[in-house]
Amino acid sequence: DADVTQTPRNRITKTGKRIMLECSQTKGHDRMYWYRQDPGLGLRLIYYSFDVKDINKGEISDGYSVSRQAQAKFSLSLESAIPNQTALYFCATSDPGPDNTGELFFGEGSRLTVL
Amino acid sequence: ELKVEQNPLFLSMQEGKNYTIYCNYSTTSDRLYWYRQDPGKSLESLFVLLSNGAVKQEGRLMASLDTKARLSTLHITAAVHDLSATYFCAVGRSSNTGKLIFGQGTTLQVKP
Repeated sequence: DADVTQTPRNRITKTGKRIMLECSQTKGHDRMYWYRQDPGLGLRLIYYSFDVKDINKGEISDGYSVSRQAQAKFSLSLESAIPNQTALYFCATSDPGPDNTGELFFGEGSRLTVL
Repeated sequence: ELKVEQNPLFLSMQEGKNYTIYCNYSTTSDRLYWYRQDPGKSLESLFVLLSNGAVKQEGRLMASLDTKARLSTLHITAAVHDLSATYFCAVGRSSNTGKLIFGQGTTLQVKP
């Protein structure tokens, strides 16, 4: 089983609908992230959380919200989806640890299409 | 604003050949990451470079970091088809661990 699990893996929805993407992890990491991938643009940070009580905006947070329900769970919501939110979304975790490498561990991705 | 640029963005090469992917970034950073992504898949961590002059090798891939030039390279030696994938570099700051800025990605196609 994957250490970082995302659901759903694929979703097609219509403009104006509310969508939630869920992420759970078994790595025991405190830090969790949501990134968005668009062709030719790499990955961009939407939101991140360093612990359950800590939520921070990333580069492109407009139109998104998040909830950190527990150390292991971090959800991304689109309150009213629009077509330009069509993308591949990745959840990731990291653990500074003694080496403080900042390495990210990614989930399998959630492909969202907004019609 | 920290920007990360990779070149080339697309690379088609023959098996057995050598090539280098370049990753330039715009402001000071002390850590550089390389990831691999197969089509429709997740990102897999390849290398973490944490200091100037760092060099790491795994199989046919070797990554290096020059923080003074703000440049990292990913060198491919004697390419094989299994290396076909998209490679991303990403830059971070020690004070904001995990908040990475990614390059656009380099899609590598290795032909038999």
